[in-house]
Amino acid sequence: GAGVSQTPSNKVTEKGKYVELRCDPISGHTALYWYRQSLGQGPEFLIYFQGTGAADDSGLPNDRFFAVRPEGSVSTLKIQRTERGDSAVYLCASSLIRDNEQFFGPGTRLTVL
Amino acid sequence: GQQLNQSPQSMFIQEGEDVSMNCTSSSIFNTWLWYKQDPGEGPVLLIALYKAGELTSNGRLTAQFGITRKDSFLNISASIPSDVGIYFCAGRSNSGYALNFGKGTSLLVTP
Repeated sequence: GAGVSQTPSNKVTEKGKYVELRCDPISGHTALYWYRQSLGQGPEFLIYFQGTGAADDSGLPNDRFFAVRPEGSVSTLKIQRTERGDSAVYLCASSLIRDNEQFFGPGTRLTVL
Repeated sequence: GQQLNQSPQSMFIQEGEDVSMNCTSSSIFNTWLWYKQDPGEGPVLLIALYKAGELTSNGRLTAQFGITRKDSFLNISASIPSDVGIYFCAGRSNSGYALNFGKGTSLLVTP
């Protein structure tokens, strides 16, 4: 079956602009996670959804970052007033239930000029 | 999140050699996972470990969940050029949702 998909694969924006990153998890997976990966680092946790609700958003760096999953499937990560430091690869992962293995999408490479 | 210490940072080996890498944590985890990431791709799950002392194989890959629950090891036998990539360990605590990742081991294999 299809894996986790993310769009766009690349996004270039200017400082101060608003961006939305989309994640389509594996069908039937109830848990969805967003991570951020900077160059030369491992992924760092941002937010976790169980169904439609954000069960843990402790990894979001500040209130410019927000994510939704209104129907319990597709999720959108939203970044307001982007800054150059937001440049990174944003990875989405899903798992069947919370304690199962997490499967990652290909990521969205965000570049803020 | 918890910072994991992964070593070595990089390895440059010849095809056919065996490879070992490890990961340690200052806190206890109840799940250890090993991922491989190719350039421009997301991490791909290689092996998942759920019990202390567990030894699990996936083809030429073998991973172990340390008895102390604070470490894990990954071995690759008879390396081939397609093993090239960055290998990440990741741990999850009993109370957590998130995976805590190491900084990765970059593996280069020469034919």
